[in-house]
Amino acid sequence: GAVVSQHPSRVICKSGTSVKIECRSLDFQATTMFWYRQFPKQSLMLMATSNEGSKATYEQGVEKDKFLINHASLTLSTLTVTSAHPEDSSFYICSAAPGLYQHEQYFGPGTRLTVT
Amino acid sequence: SQKIEQNSEALNIQEGKTATLTCNYTNYSPAYLQWYRQDPGRGPVFLLLIRENEKEKRKERLKVTFDTTLKQSLFHITASQPADSATYLCALGGGGSYIPTFGRGTSLIVHP
Repeated sequence: GAVVSQHPSRVICKSGTSVKIECRSLDFQATTMFWYRQFPKQSLMLMATSNEGSKATYEQGVEKDKFLINHASLTLSTLTVTSAHPEDSSFYICSAAPGLYQHEQYFGPGTRLTVT
Repeated sequence: SQKIEQNSEALNIQEGKTATLTCNYTNYSPAYLQWYRQDPGRGPVFLLLIRENEKEKRKERLKVTFDTTLKQSLFHITASQPADSATYLCALGGGGSYIPTFGRGTSLIVHP
């Protein structure tokens, strides 16, 4: 149980284009979903927290107009990287929390974004 | 500022031995601490959670200790196997937020 999927697993896009990443909780309803990015040999950096039906809460330093998050339902959240640049190339990971206690998170497999 | 430290150098051990990984923290009073396993190119997988009022927790070959005085957690894998090779992340939460903050992780390599 507690499976989270992400799609796509890898994406290569050209500079200036937008990319959408989907995160789905497959066998539970997620009260909260989280988006992280991770650079090689670095820790997971929380980008934003989203609750179904409400606006996402972004961490300091994360541009909300660049990283658009939509939590459309209790099982789906999307992250859109708008006008991507090479410095946005990273590993993006989502996680979902099934209950009120946000420390109980289940992570997706991640999406490797490469911007050329 | 809050700081979580995990050894950046890989830990190399022989199969069958006990692997011990360390997580130290400063300027933090966590309500809980978690350990995750992360394989290359994959998302983290939750292993264990230990709360501030717990000293030790076990799950199969895994054991975690939590010393809030030393501000340290030790993560042990007994009878290690090559399949245990991965990066292990610790994460701390509490102190006003239930959302955990992650360390950089330590790579474990178990040699057959």
